[in-house]
Amino acid sequence: SAVISQKPSRDICQRGTSLTIQCQVDSQVTMMFWYRQQPGQSLTLIATANQGSEATYESGFVIDKFPISRPNLTFSTLTVSNMSPEDSSIYLCSAGHQANTEAFFGQGTRLTVV
Amino acid sequence: KQEVTQIPAALSVPEGENLVLNCSFTDSAIYNLQWFRQDPGKGLTSLLLIQSSQREQTSGRLNASLDKSSGRSTLYIAASQPGDSATYLCAVRPRDSNYQLIWGAGTKLIIKP
Repeated sequence: SAVISQKPSRDICQRGTSLTIQCQVDSQVTMMFWYRQQPGQSLTLIATANQGSEATYESGFVIDKFPISRPNLTFSTLTVSNMSPEDSSIYLCSAGHQANTEAFFGQGTRLTVV
Repeated sequence: KQEVTQIPAALSVPEGENLVLNCSFTDSAIYNLQWFRQDPGKGLTSLLLIQSSQREQTSGRLNASLDKSSGRSTLYIAASQPGDSATYLCAVRPRDSNYQLIWGAGTKLIIKP
């Protein structure tokens, strides 16, 4: 299993600013992902965080808006840049060891942009 | 392209009843299927993981089944309690993906005391 600590748990930010969300896993994991969950919606994958290389972004998400770092096998950050009210969502970090094993999630970051 | 559907979108039942949540998927080429619980404004808690070769998994009052050939999974909750109230999400991990999960929209469950 893996325990994921995500912080901050919530924040209220001014439009035009940036917020960096941290994700710390208690063990080395192969895969780390960042998701967004807009109000009343299911999860949408933003990107796969690759250790030591650039993240792989899904359609509709770009590095300039959502820069991601993954310096090692236990830690990743997601930055939400130049925020607007449309970025208000829950952002979730997920990790796993292999494709056929369980996916684990952090407790999420509830972001409100005003 | 894999699609995951959950029915019903919402369900309200009296405390003590047994209930079934449904999840269907369009492509049987999956590594596994996982059920999660999400409380309002919170992260996800993993409930059960079923590998593609398995038929069911049990944890306490929860039992999840998988019929890969028909593209269906069910989550059975026995003797429901108000604390079971939450949104339940199912997700599949396709074999032809970069290991990402494909999600259903969830079932919002309310257990009335």
